[in-house]
Amino acid sequence: AQKVTQAQTEISVVEKEDVTLDCVYETRDTTYYLFWYKQPPSGELVFLIRRNSFDEQNEISGRYSWNFQKSTSSFNFTITASQVVDSAVYFCALRESYKYIFGTGTRLKVLA
Amino acid sequence: GAGVSQSPRYKVAKRGQDVALRCDPISGHVSLFWYQQALGQGPEFLTYFQNEAQLDKSGLPSDRFFAERPEGSVSTLKIQRTQQEDSAVYLCASSPAGLGTGDSRPQHFGDGTRLSIL
Repeated sequence: AQKVTQAQTEISVVEKEDVTLDCVYETRDTTYYLFWYKQPPSGELVFLIRRNSFDEQNEISGRYSWNFQKSTSSFNFTITASQVVDSAVYFCALRESYKYIFGTGTRLKVLA
Repeated sequence: GAGVSQSPRYKVAKRGQDVALRCDPISGHVSLFWYQQALGQGPEFLTYFQNEAQLDKSGLPSDRFFAERPEGSVSTLKIQRTQQEDSAVYLCASSPAGLGTGDSRPQHFGDGTRLSIL
C-alpha cells in the first residue's frame, strides 16, 4: 500500500540553525510524484516542491533544499539558516493516481 | 482572489444538525478534491470531481457525507446528522487538469473550514 511516514512529530530550533525534515515513502508504482507542502497557522497548504520519480537531482531554492533518494525511498527537506517565519507544519505527500497520500506532518518551531 | 476559496471559515454545529461547506476552486480548474484533516494529522482524501462528475468518493466516511459540483465549478460538501467525530478541518483543493492527461501540476488548497460539533 502507498504510505508516507514523517517520523518527526515536532522539531524546535533556534533561529539561524539548519534543520532537516525527514520523509520516507512506500509505493509499488514505478512512476510517481512527491510533494512538500507548508501549513502555517492560517491553515492553507502552501505548495513548496514537486519531484517525479525519474529525477533524482537535488534541488535548491533559496534557503530550501530537497534530497531525493530512491534507494532509501526518502525525500528529505532542509531549511538553511532557519527563520521564525519558517514556523509551520510541513507535510510530505505522495501522489497515488490523482489523489495525495499525506504524512502526519512535522511541526517546526523556530525560536528567536 | 485567485486562489481556492472556502466558506465558512469556521462552523460550529450541534450534534445531529446538517452542515454545508462551500468550495470555490481556481477558475478553469478541472479537478476538485475534498480532504478531511483531523487534529494533529495529515489531510485524508474524501472525494474527487472532474468537472461535474464525481469520479471517486471512496474516502467519504459514511453515507452521511455527500458532495456535489453541479456545474463543474463551485462544490458543496454536505454532512447530515453530524456526529462529534466529524469535527475536523475540511480542505478543498483544485488542479488544472483532469485524469489521463499526464499533468502532474500540484493541487492548490484553500484555507479550509474548521468544523466543530458540540
